[in-house]
Amino acid sequence: AQSVSQHNHHVILSEAASLELGCNYSYGGTVNLFWYVQYPGQHLQLLLKYFSGDPLVKGIKGFEAEFIKSKFSFNLRKPSVQWSDTAEYFCAVIGGGFKTIFGAGTRLFVKA
Amino acid sequence: GAGVSQSPRYKVTKRGQDVALRCDPISGHVSLYWYRQALGQGPEFLTYFNYEAQQDKSGLPNDRFSAERPEGSISTLTIQRTEQRDSAMYRCASSLATQETQYFGPGTRLLVL
Repeated sequence: AQSVSQHNHHVILSEAASLELGCNYSYGGTVNLFWYVQYPGQHLQLLLKYFSGDPLVKGIKGFEAEFIKSKFSFNLRKPSVQWSDTAEYFCAVIGGGFKTIFGAGTRLFVKA
Repeated sequence: GAGVSQSPRYKVTKRGQDVALRCDPISGHVSLYWYRQALGQGPEFLTYFNYEAQQDKSGLPNDRFSAERPEGSISTLTIQRTEQRDSAMYRCASSLATQETQYFGPGTRLLVL
């Protein structure tokens, strides 16, 4: 069965620190990969996605993610976080069907 | 409307009662998904519609759960004979097509007493 693993459940950073959130998935075929974010009091919304092509994708608010097929990974990065990046981040995978499989999420708290 | 809407936003019910949760997707979106999210977890897939056709219901936990989308727009998730373990956030999302970006509604928080 497909699964998505997010390595960190809680991350606390100071402003201007660099961020990397890990995401690994289990599925051997072609995948579509997503990072969604939920800011406090708001809906889940798309941060970035990878379908094909350049494995380094850029999203909103300075976020980027790199698809490494050999490692089944799609880690999210941002060079310098801001207090407004405090949110919960979800990695998601669609592979070979309609089901979207989400990871358990990572709660990021950025100290001002 | 501009986004996906869900109603009610909050529902408190007694064990054994039936509940119906509504999702109104973005106009023109073909695909509609239902998820359940427990505290501290990510959204868990329940079912998927392409237009009015329910193409995957493998995530529905048991036969007390059902969903429909009769005209290919609004969808209803029904839980019969609710149990305390059904308490969760129920999320709906829609997308232009299968495997495309999903747009989520605000969710319905269900509490079964």
